[in-house]
Amino acid sequence: DAGVIQSPRHEVTEMGQEVTLRCKPISGHNSLFWYRQTMMRGLELLIYFNNNVPIDDSGMPEDRFSAKMPNASFSTLKIQPSEPRDSAVYFCASSLRFGGGQETQYFGPGTRLLVL
Amino acid sequence: DQQVKQNSPSLSVQEGRISILNCDYTNSMFDYFLWYKKYPAEGPTFLISISSIKDKNEDGRFTVFLNKSAKHLSLHIVPSQPGDSAVYFCAASETGGGSYIPTFGRGTSLIVHP
Repeated sequence: DAGVIQSPRHEVTEMGQEVTLRCKPISGHNSLFWYRQTMMRGLELLIYFNNNVPIDDSGMPEDRFSAKMPNASFSTLKIQPSEPRDSAVYFCASSLRFGGGQETQYFGPGTRLLVL
Repeated sequence: DQQVKQNSPSLSVQEGRISILNCDYTNSMFDYFLWYKKYPAEGPTFLISISSIKDKNEDGRFTVFLNKSAKHLSLHIVPSQPGDSAVYFCAASETGGGSYIPTFGRGTSLIVHP
């Protein structure tokens, strides 16, 4: 069974460039999450989708960040323009939300982003 | 304002001994708690969970204890093995009418020495 797939695994870019991170959730999962991990702030939730609809994007740091989920098997997180402080590891996770609340998230391997 | 706190950024333990990782939370509405384990260059993976109706959950070498009155939980690993060396994240969520989205602590890096 393929887990959550993220691409690219590593991205090095220059300040001001557009960065697009991609995620393929586990088939059958109906919730998708984007997290950012930094030393200072730990694992922060940026945005999550339920049935492809963005439910809560309050964690998105600025308008430079945007996320889409055009279908159940694909999501993107875009940063435009990128800044050095965006350097972090970005994780995508998915889960099956069945209404019971006790769900487990499955994380992808992450994209390590470095903005110079 | 951190709702889930892991106050020890790191812990070093000898192989074969017990590892105890601690986690405190402030939101009394949290009723479901999880521990995730993360190896370098990998995403966090689910390890064990506990509902607030229990005070203990055991899975092999891993046991999670929950003290609701103290808003404290701990993960015990017995015996510790070098392969347990990883970062451990505590997470808590509100399932009764809440968003179900877990709030994560900053993690504790466990090193188990041979």
